[in-house]
Amino acid sequence: AQTIHQWPVAEIKAVGSPLSLGCTIKGKSSPNLYWYWQATGGTLQQLFYSITVGQVESVVQLNLSASRPKDDQFILSTEKLLLSHSGFYLCAWSLRESQNTLYFGAGTRLSVL
Amino acid sequence: QQKVQQSPESLIVPEGAMTSLNCTFSDSASQYFAWYRQHSGKAPKALMSIFSNGEKEEGRFTIHLNKASLHFSLHIRDSQPSDSALYLCAVSRGTQVVGQLTFGRGTRLQVYA
Repeated sequence: AQTIHQWPVAEIKAVGSPLSLGCTIKGKSSPNLYWYWQATGGTLQQLFYSITVGQVESVVQLNLSASRPKDDQFILSTEKLLLSHSGFYLCAWSLRESQNTLYFGAGTRLSVL
Repeated sequence: QQKVQQSPESLIVPEGAMTSLNCTFSDSASQYFAWYRQHSGKAPKALMSIFSNGEKEEGRFTIHLNKASLHFSLHIRDSQPSDSALYLCAVSRGTQVVGQLTFGRGTRLQVYA
């Protein structure tokens, strides 16, 4: 069975500090990977997606970056956090042949103060 | 750019009621339509999806799609308190188009006993 693990579960960070969020998918080879952001009470906004190792596409510009260093790992990061980065970050995966059904991780709740 | 809108924003219904949630989209080339459910503080989870006009039933849930009207809906028969959640509709141009699943802002459903 496939499992998706996100870390950390929650973070409280200062404005201007760096951030690194991680996601690991086990039990599925070469999945498509995604990062989504959800502001409190807001819609799910896709940030990045990746179809293969080392290749990441940016969907919106929010002063964040993403990398896929391994087939089963997806990293979201920034060197300087803004207040507007607060929210719920979700990693997701999909099958190559069924790209629309997303399987989300439990998410990371980020508070920037 | 695809615009997806949901109505109503929130809904409170008694246990046992029929609940109807609506979603409109702007891109007439859309081919994939789905509903996700997100319980409070949890990750969204795919509920059901449809590709062609008409309806599809799975248990207490029915999805209706009318592509000509750019509209689809989710109907929950015999609503239960456990159905209380944020319901997100999602639309894309097809299964082979990576990274273009667009979500609505959601309808918050509360079912009281």
